[in-house]
Amino acid sequence: TQLLEQSPQFLSIQEGENLTVYCNSSSVFSSLQWYRQEPGEGPVLLVTVVTGGEVKKLKRLTFQFGDARKDSSLHITAAQPGDTGLYLCAGARGSNYKLTFGKGTLLTVNP
Amino acid sequence: GAGVSQSPRYKVAKRGQDVALRCDPISGHVSLFWYQQALGQGPEFLTYFQNEAQLDKSGLPSDRFFAERPEGSVSTLKIQRTQQEDSAVYLCASSLEEREIDEQFFGPGTRLTVL
Repeated sequence: TQLLEQSPQFLSIQEGENLTVYCNSSSVFSSLQWYRQEPGEGPVLLVTVVTGGEVKKLKRLTFQFGDARKDSSLHITAAQPGDTGLYLCAGARGSNYKLTFGKGTLLTVNP
Repeated sequence: GAGVSQSPRYKVAKRGQDVALRCDPISGHVSLFWYQQALGQGPEFLTYFQNEAQLDKSGLPSDRFFAERPEGSVSTLKIQRTQQEDSAVYLCASSLEEREIDEQFFGPGTRLTVL
């Protein structure tokens, strides 16, 4: 079973600060996805990255897939309270439809 | 169009009881997934359907867990003789096709508590 490790596990910051969360593995993934999950809800897809070295931007969120396709990062600029939630990374290998999720980073942005 | 819905949203069961959790996927979605999310953990894959065919059940933790999707739409996850370790949120997701990078749309989950 592939293991995706996310860090930090918990992060509490003030509104306006920048932050980066990480997703690392010893295994290669053909694609990697980032989700945000709010309490009482299911995860919602933010982005899918498929190419090593790929960088995608979604407003204040920047996602990067490592060159070796084993790791990824999510950078949030000028965090807002609405960014609060559990950020999950999930990887897939080849034609395998299964997603392997990390444990997530629980982000709290204080006003 | 409605999203993925799940019922009940909350279920409390006494140890040893059987439970049935329902998932209504987005209409027309071919693929359906069940995940188990324990407290403080990410979701873990349980099983996968393509239409009515259960193509992978390798994530089901024991033979007490059974899933079906008889008409290729609604799915039911059944847990027999529930144990305390079965307490978790059970998430259902559907996707339009069976390609790896198709977006999976998740329901809100059913929170199961086994006393």
